[in-house]
Amino acid sequence: GAGVSQSPSNKVTEKGKDVELRCDPISGHTALYWYRQRLGQGLEFLIYFQGNSAPDKSGLPSDRFSAERTGESVSTLTIQRTQQEDSAVYLCASSPGVGRGASTDTQYFGPGTRLTVL
Amino acid sequence: GQNIDQPTEMTATEGAIVQINCTYQTSGFNGLFWYQQHAGEAPTFLSYNVLDGLEEKGRFSSFLSRSKGYSYLLLKELQMKDSASYLCAVNTNAGKSTFGDGTTLTVKP
Repeated sequence: GAGVSQSPSNKVTEKGKDVELRCDPISGHTALYWYRQRLGQGLEFLIYFQGNSAPDKSGLPSDRFSAERTGESVSTLTIQRTQQEDSAVYLCASSPGVGRGASTDTQYFGPGTRLTVL
Repeated sequence: GQNIDQPTEMTATEGAIVQINCTYQTSGFNGLFWYQQHAGEAPTFLSYNVLDGLEEKGRFSSFLSRSKGYSYLLLKELQMKDSASYLCAVNTNAGKSTFGDGTTLTVKP
C-alpha cells in the first residue's frame, strides 16, 4: 500500500477485555515499531521488529502486552485484561531498515488506533 | 538508558524565527531525527542529523553537536500552519528510537 495502515482506527472496550491492534507496514520495510501516546504527551516506545524478530521489547509496560509480526509484514499488538490506564493512541511506524542513516531509519507512521478502556 | 529533554511549549509570531532545542544523553548514538506532529495526526519526518553541523531544508534547519548532546530545530518565516508539536528522536546502534515528549509550538498572527 501507499502508507502504513492501522486497524481499527478507534476501539472502545471494557476493563478486563482483551484487544488486538493491527499494523500493516509499507511494503518492503523490514523494521516496524509500536508506540503509545497518551493525550498531550510524547511517544512512548513499546517494541520494535527487525524482520520477524524483536530485538528490543524493553518498552512493553507489563506482561499483559505482547506483539508479533509474521512474514515481515503485518504486526499485531495484543493487550490482555485491559486497564483504564491503557487508554491512549497506539501508533505503528515502519522504516526501510535500521542503522544506515536517514534513507533507512526514517520512520513512516500510521494514523494510529485510539483505544478507550471504560 | 536514554534521556531526551525539550521545552514543553513555545509561542512565536507569524513571520518570525523560532529555535527549538533538544538535549540528549544516550549510548550508541546513531542519528537524531526531528518529526512534526499536528494535533490529532501522526508524526511526519522533518530532518535527520548524524554528523555535527547544520542541515538546511527550505524554511527548516536542524543542527547537531554530538559532543554536547545537543540539537536544535530552526524554523524561519513562520506560518500559521507551523503550529504543531515538534518531536526530537534519538536512534541508537541497536535500532531503537527514543522520542522526547515534544515541544508544542503555537504561531500567533
